[in-house]
Amino acid sequence: GDSVTQMEGPVTLSEEAFLTINCTYTATGYPSLFWYVQYPGEGLQLLLKATKADDKGSNKGFEATYRKETTSFHLEKGSVQVSDSAVYFCALRTGGFKTIFGAGTRLFVKA
Amino acid sequence: GAVVSQHPSWVICKSGTSVKIECRSLDFQATTMFWYRQFPKQSLMLMATSNEGSKATYEQGVEKDKFLINHASLTLSTLTVTSAHPEDSSFYICSARTEADSPLHFGNGTRLTVT
Repeated sequence: GDSVTQMEGPVTLSEEAFLTINCTYTATGYPSLFWYVQYPGEGLQLLLKATKADDKGSNKGFEATYRKETTSFHLEKGSVQVSDSAVYFCALRTGGFKTIFGAGTRLFVKA
Repeated sequence: GAVVSQHPSWVICKSGTSVKIECRSLDFQATTMFWYRQFPKQSLMLMATSNEGSKATYEQGVEKDKFLINHASLTLSTLTVTSAHPEDSSFYICSARTEADSPLHFGNGTRLTVT
């Protein structure tokens, strides 16, 4: 069945470091891909999305490119801040409009 | 922005009792709501999809008689864990959307502990 695999955390970085969180997926058809973020004490919220191959989603300095050939949607940010500390979830939405999530990756950014 | 309110945020109950969790869309009409369960360090597992005014669609392996879902209005869905047991202890999260391809909006989750 459809699934999402993302790198295990936690990921600990210093402020201004480069961030990559890997995400790969398995799906039939052509899913839409998402990154959600959960800040401490809050619910999940959409960070960015891409709906077709080669699309790049971006928001708040984060980017991810839909790579059909490698079935990947890696999240990147050039310079992280302490305020980026959160749990990041990669997800896909199938043609049936169900959303399937990865296990989440916790990011700690040190000042 | 779209806000989903989930209540309670945490609950402790005794084994054998039932617990109801509410999920409300505060500023939009949610045609579809989803209920997820999250185990520590694991992904969100979709339990069921509920459309307003119709019966919920449960995922394989989810007991519909144990996890009762009601979506009686466009702004409210409830999940009732019946005859709760310690193994039902988990983090339950609801989400809602307006249309089929619109983004999901999440509640803050409910931590259920069954003693």
